[in-house]
Amino acid sequence: AQSVSQHNHHVILSEAASLELGCNYSYGGTVNLFWYVQYPGQHLQLLLKYFSGDPLVKGIKGFEAEFIKSKFSFNLRKPSVQWSDTAEYFCAVNAGSGGSYIPTFGRGTSLIVHP
Amino acid sequence: DAGVTQSPTHLIKTRGQQVTLRCSPKSGHDTVSWYQQALGQGPQFIFQYYEEEERQRGNFPDRFSGHQFPNYSSELNVNALLLGDSALYLCASSGPRREQYFGPGTRLTVT
Repeated sequence: AQSVSQHNHHVILSEAASLELGCNYSYGGTVNLFWYVQYPGQHLQLLLKYFSGDPLVKGIKGFEAEFIKSKFSFNLRKPSVQWSDTAEYFCAVNAGSGGSYIPTFGRGTSLIVHP
Repeated sequence: DAGVTQSPTHLIKTRGQQVTLRCSPKSGHDTVSWYQQALGQGPQFIFQYYEEEERQRGNFPDRFSGHQFPNYSSELNVNALLLGDSALYLCASSGPRREQYFGPGTRLTVT
């Protein structure tokens, strides 16, 4: 069974600071990887995804993530955060081709950005 | 194009009661998945419905059951409610590309 670890549970930054949220997964086969964001009072939204190809994935709102297969990692980055990035961020993984396609979620990272 | 909708938004029930939550998938989607999100945790997979049948199930007791209708909408039923069932219940729909789109959730409080 796959599992996902998000090591940073709470992150507090000032506007314009750089962001990197860690995500590690455990699964030996082909995986699909996702980052979801949950803004206060809103529903989960897909930020970006990796299925195959270029391991550096660009998402919405200036976010990007890099898939490093050897490290089983899919860290989320943004060079300069804004106050509006305050939200809960969830990393998720599902087994790829031939797998269940049911994502397993990490417990989330709460990001607070001070103006 | 309407996204995933869920009803009701909030619900308060008493221990031992039964509850039914509803979900309408995004247009063009035929698969519905249900998740439970406890406070401070990520969503936990309950089950998935496709072609009106339960296709996969997570580690939840039989008190949790569901149904999918011919129009692809779905219901989640929970019997004999426990205090620990208090959570945000999320519905997600997906289509051929398997990407999941989430609804706003139903906040269930069991007292």
